[in-house]
Amino acid sequence: QSALTQPASVSGSPGQSITISCTGTSSDVGSYNLVSWYQQHPGKAPKLMIYEVSKRPSGVSNRFSGSKSGNTASLTISGLQAEDEADYYCCSYVGSSTAVVFGGGTKLTVL
Amino acid sequence: EVQLVESGGGLVQPGGSLRLSCAASGFTFSNYWMHWVRQAPGKGLVWVSRINSDGSGTTYADSVKGRFTISRDNAKNTLYLQVSSLRAEDTAIYYCARMGVDGATPDYWGQGTLVTVSS
Repeated sequence: QSALTQPASVSGSPGQSITISCTGTSSDVGSYNLVSWYQQHPGKAPKLMIYEVSKRPSGVSNRFSGSKSGNTASLTISGLQAEDEADYYCCSYVGSSTAVVFGGGTKLTVL
Repeated sequence: EVQLVESGGGLVQPGGSLRLSCAASGFTFSNYWMHWVRQAPGKGLVWVSRINSDGSGTTYADSVKGRFTISRDNAKNTLYLQVSSLRAEDTAIYYCARMGVDGATPDYWGQGTLVTVSS
């Protein structure tokens, strides 16, 4: 199972919006509404930001939103803040035999 | 508060073995499937293995199949990963993670334990 494809890096200025894409195939992202997004600051554990494509866990800012079209899922962060600077990973269910697959990660820089 | 605390990592020679542990608290451990995910230094997250709530069903990534064994002790609220026949490419931080409400992807993660394979 190949990793999902994410851009290596994105950047934006405070207050702006950015979108991170996550491209899979018809066997993973395209087949299931089971895509999650994680934020990881250096030296820290990943934190769940979005699950089931567009749902936010309790306590996650509504500046974070998710969507999906075909084989590509997207994470949008609006009103960028300095503390949003981190690595972001998507994750998709791929079926019972392989469980899940992650994207390669995207480094977000807040300029 | 959900807490997952990994332990058991360390420096091991190629071909060696370790048993990683993950102590869970703050939730009913026996009700949840669990994952192991690893991250090589400076690299991305890679799923390793998954176990169902009673330990009767396990799944592995192809890269570790036959070398790693996931298990759990629900009486001790502890998840395990026996890692054997270790290779340099197994060097990584190993995270345990709880399966989320979506029944597929992780929600809560531990802080990880570092396994370094080197002679």
